Amino acid sequence: EAEVAQSPRYKITEKSQAVAFWCDPISGHATLYWYRQILGQGPELLVQFQDESVVDDSQLPKDRFSAERLKGVDSTLKIQPAELGDSAMYLCASSQEGNNEQFFGPGTRLTVL
Amino acid sequence: GENVEQHPSTLSVQEGDSAVIKCTYSDSASNYFPWYKQELGKRPQLIIDIRSNVGEKKDQRIAVTLNKTAKHFSLHITETQPEDSAVYFCAASLGTLIQGAQKLVFGQGTRLTINP
Repeated sequence: EAEVAQSPRYKITEKSQAVAFWCDPISGHATLYWYRQILGQGPELLVQFQDESVVDDSQLPKDRFSAERLKGVDSTLKIQPAELGDSAMYLCASSQEGNNEQFFGPGTRLTVL
Repeated sequence: GENVEQHPSTLSVQEGDSAVIKCTYSDSASNYFPWYKQELGKRPQLIIDIRSNVGEKKDQRIAVTLNKTAKHFSLHITETQPEDSAVYFCAASLGTLIQGAQKLVFGQGTRLTINP
């Protein structure tokens, strides 16, 4: 069964450093989402792509976060510089056009020291 | 924007008993309500969903009910088993079958523990 892939699974960094996360959605899924999940809370959407275009980035802290999906397939989320409050699980999800179901990847757990 | 409240935050039941988790939402235009199960260290997985044109949906031991007037929906798990222990999240979204999924707004989660 096809799954959303993410890497790395774990990342430890020091504050002020740059970090990047990668996501490969299920083949053929046009919509890709990046969520942030703080421990003990539900996931919160950071950015949503439809193919290569951003359709919602209203919750993305644009002064330090950036996301791209250049060819409309895989995607990268970057944080620069990382802050202590960025420690969280970063989840990627994808969905098929015409289908509301979102499939989640295993996530990248970020720890900022 | 949409706001989803979920209760309780923790729930402990005896194996074989039923468990109920409740959510309320704020945006009356929301029309898609999924429930996700997240086991420790694993990805959230969809267990059941319901659309606003349906009042109830059942899948074996799991059922979801929706009250559009009151803007709340609930997850019901019957004959609970130890493997049901996990964190459950409700969510709401504005989704259309033409445009596909819109963003999900999640509740805070319920940690369900099934006691043997």
